[in-house]
Amino acid sequence: NAGVTQTPKFRVLKTGQSMTLLCAQDMNHEYMYWYRQDPGMGLRLIHYSVGEGTTAKGEVPDGYNVSRLKKQNFLLGLESAAPSQTSVYFCASSTRVGTQYFGPGTRLLVL
Amino acid sequence: GQQVMQIPQYQHVQEGEDFTTYCNSSTTLSNIQWYKQRPGGHPVFLIQLVKSGEVKKQKRLTFQFGEAKKNSSLHITATQTTDVGTYFCAGPGSGGSNYKLTFGKGTLLTVNP
Repeated sequence: NAGVTQTPKFRVLKTGQSMTLLCAQDMNHEYMYWYRQDPGMGLRLIHYSVGEGTTAKGEVPDGYNVSRLKKQNFLLGLESAAPSQTSVYFCASSTRVGTQYFGPGTRLLVL
Repeated sequence: GQQVMQIPQYQHVQEGEDFTTYCNSSTTLSNIQWYKQRPGGHPVFLIQLVKSGEVKKQKRLTFQFGEAKKNSSLHITATQTTDVGTYFCAGPGSGGSNYKLTFGKGTLLTVNP
């Protein structure tokens, strides 16, 4: 099992460009999450999903959109990237009350 | 909303010294989880504590959950260079949202060989 995978691993964008980050899990988990990690800020929840076809806002959702069309995939979109969105993005998945399994992360630089 | 605070933010030790990080929640927790993130890596689950006053050990690591279920600690005995990384505690939300975790900001441990 691959666990949780993320693509791409690294990306450089110019301000105003758009992109989609892909997260895939093969553990049949219902719950999936997108976090961003910035120095000194820990992990902050952007959006999450409690099942296929559902999404909900987390702590810092502005500037991001998500979709969960398939149970195993959770997409994070940036419609118009801003330098403040430079960060490391982690996807995670879990069962209802279980531990969270994280992907390797995507490092995004917005110039 | 729920807040989870960790101290210290950074800790530098000599190899062989002990290390402790503390976690405090603004609300009572149903459980607390600990994660480790190596430099350049992703968070990896270490352990979950559920019972009031619970103590669990993993080799040189000792985890405690407070009696009031609002605080927790992680103690490492005789640190090694392999212990380097950031240690996060995380508590679930209350009621029906206990699948969502609130993470502390973490304690970065560096070890001088």
